[in-house]
Amino acid sequence: KAGVTQTPRYLIKTRGQQVTLSCSPISGHRSVSWYQQTPGQGLQFLFEYFSETQRNKGNFPGRFSGRQFSNSRSEMNVSTLELGDSALYLCASRYRGDTDGYTFGSGTRLTVV
Amino acid sequence: GDSVTQMEGPVTLSEEAFLTINCTYTATGYPSLFWYVQYPGEGLQLLLKATKADDKGSNKGFEATYRKETTSFHLEKGSVQVSDSAVYFCALHKAAGNKLTFGGGTRVLVKP
Repeated sequence: KAGVTQTPRYLIKTRGQQVTLSCSPISGHRSVSWYQQTPGQGLQFLFEYFSETQRNKGNFPGRFSGRQFSNSRSEMNVSTLELGDSALYLCASRYRGDTDGYTFGSGTRLTVV
Repeated sequence: GDSVTQMEGPVTLSEEAFLTINCTYTATGYPSLFWYVQYPGEGLQLLLKATKADDKGSNKGFEATYRKETTSFHLEKGSVQVSDSAVYFCALHKAAGNKLTFGGGTRVLVKP
């Protein structure tokens, strides 16, 4: 069974541009979460979607947004990129229940220059 | 708010040595606890989990016991291999938040 697929794997963008990252969850998983990983801040929660509804949002500026489609695929968008947005962005999906572990994708490495 | 604290690395060991990575948490209610592992250039892989007090999670020779009285979830392995070299993350999850809260990660390097 296919895992969580994130595209693209690597991105280089210029400061001020915007970027869209994509995540396809495991088939049947309706919950998709996004995390930012940086050496300085570690793993930080961005947002979580379930059945196209955002259920929780982390402490990030409004430049960070996301959405989920009816097929559970999710996208996150970062507008007006800053150098500090350079990070590994990880997507995770979950089937159901509070005790199920999240399955993570390999991430998208975003570099802002 | 909720938080997870784990020992800073790097932890350098010889092959077949005993590994312990300490993890403590602060949270209200009854979180589920997880250990994730990250190999270079990859995402996170679930290593083991425990959902209630005194539960023991185990996988691939790794073990951790959910200790509510000490709010801890220490990871142990009796005999590490070079292939265990990775970064290990302790995390908690609460139903109300729909998110994982991670510790800072511990890099483990196993030398032959």
